[in-house]
Amino acid sequence: NAGVMQNPRHLVRRRGQEARLRCSPMKGHSHVYWYRQLPEEGLKFMVYLQKENIIDESGMPKERFSAEFPKEGPSILRIQQVVRGDSAAYFCASSPGTAYQPQHFGDGTRLSIL
Amino acid sequence: QKEVEQNSGPLSVPEGAIASLNCTYSDRGSQSFFWYRQYSGKSPELIMSIYSNGDKEDGRFTAQLNKASQYVSLLIRDSQPSDSATYLCAGNNAGNMLTFGGGTRLMVKP
Repeated sequence: NAGVMQNPRHLVRRRGQEARLRCSPMKGHSHVYWYRQLPEEGLKFMVYLQKENIIDESGMPKERFSAEFPKEGPSILRIQQVVRGDSAAYFCASSPGTAYQPQHFGDGTRLSIL
Repeated sequence: QKEVEQNSGPLSVPEGAIASLNCTYSDRGSQSFFWYRQYSGKSPELIMSIYSNGDKEDGRFTAQLNKASQYVSLLIRDSQPSDSATYLCAGNNAGNMLTFGGGTRLMVKP
C-alpha cells in the first residue's frame, strides 16, 4: 500500500497523559500536513511540514501541541497533558509539493481521552 | 478570516438524479480547489480538483469554478446510493494549507 500511513488507528489516553500520532507520507511526497476533525465539525488545518522544517504552524494550539518531520522516519504529532477536548480524529495528508497538487489523506487516528 | 462555506444539508436526491453541491469562498488568493468525499467514520477521499475557470469532467463527476463569483460546484450525474456521504469543498492558497467547508451531507434514496 503506497498510501499515507497513519498509526495508531485508535488511541485511548487518560487526562494528563501524552499522545503521539505517527504519519508516513505517500511515496514520493515530501510535504506533510496535519488536520483535526472534532466531533460533528469540519476539518481544520493544524500544521504543514517538510523534512526537518515546520513551514506553517498557524493552526496549532499554542500550548501542549508540537509536530516534527525528521530526516529519517515518520512525522509525529505530539500532544502533551491531554484533556477531554483533545478527543478528535487527527488526519495526516501528504502532497508532492505546490499548491496546485492535491493532498491525499491517511485513514486518521481517532484519539479518545478518558 | 478566510472561509469556505457550504450548505450542510442534508441534500436528498433520488437514485439516478443529478446531485448539485455548491461552495463559496472568501479568499481571492485561493488558487486551487478540491472536492473530497467522506463516509461516516472514514477519511476524506479526493474526488476532483479544479484550478481554472470553467468545467472539468471526470466520469459521473463535473466540477465547476467561477473565480469572479468565488463559487465552486460539484455535479454528480446518475447518483447512486453508494454516493451517499459528506462532500467537502476545500480551497488552497499559495501557502499550501487547505481550508475546508463544513461539508454537505448527500443522501441518495433508492
